[in-house]
Amino acid sequence: AQRVTQPEKLLSVFKGAPVELKCNYSYSGSPELFWYVQYSRQRLQLLLRHISRESIKGFTADLNKGETSFHLKKPFAQEEDSAMYYCALREEGGKLIFGQGTELSVKP
Amino acid sequence: DTGVSQNPRHKITKRGQNVTFRCDPISEHNRLYWYRQTLGQGPEFLTYFQNEAQLEKSRLLSDRFSAERPKGSFSTLEIQRTEQGDSAMYLCASSFVRQGADRNQPQHFGDGTRLSIL
Repeated sequence: AQRVTQPEKLLSVFKGAPVELKCNYSYSGSPELFWYVQYSRQRLQLLLRHISRESIKGFTADLNKGETSFHLKKPFAQEEDSAMYYCALREEGGKLIFGQGTELSVKP
Repeated sequence: DTGVSQNPRHKITKRGQNVTFRCDPISEHNRLYWYRQTLGQGPEFLTYFQNEAQLEKSRLLSDRFSAERPKGSFSTLEIQRTEQGDSAMYLCASSFVRQGADRNQPQHFGDGTRLSIL
């Protein structure tokens, strides 16, 4: 069955430290993966998608088909990065399958 | 363009009552999705529309749930005879999909409607 797993519910780091939010998936087809972010009291918004291969707000994510992973990374965390982060996989029909989310807390 | 709009933002109702939520997608978007999110979980897919056609429904969508998109613009999600387990955030998302290329546009989400069943 198609599934997205985010093993950490909470990740707490200090400002300036590197961050890696883990995401693993299982999907029989060719996956299309996304990271969505939800800041406090704001709507879910797209952070980045694997096909774009771009860096947004200093975050990057590389699709590793061998390890079926799409981890989100940032070399130096900022306090404004504190938010809920959701990894999502888009199925052929277009619907998204989300992980349970990881809360990132960046402390000063 | 104000993005995806959902109304109401909050709905509190007694068990057994019917409720209806509305979603207005981004104007040029032809795809509209409904998701449900419970505390501590990621959003779960419920159903989606391509224009006015409902193309897929999740098994989560029991007979008490019905969704419509009559003119291919706004959509409504109705829950009949609400139960405690229906308490959740109901999210709407929209995207634009070109014929034969359904992977090229990400989904944009609304603020959601939070449903609380007393």
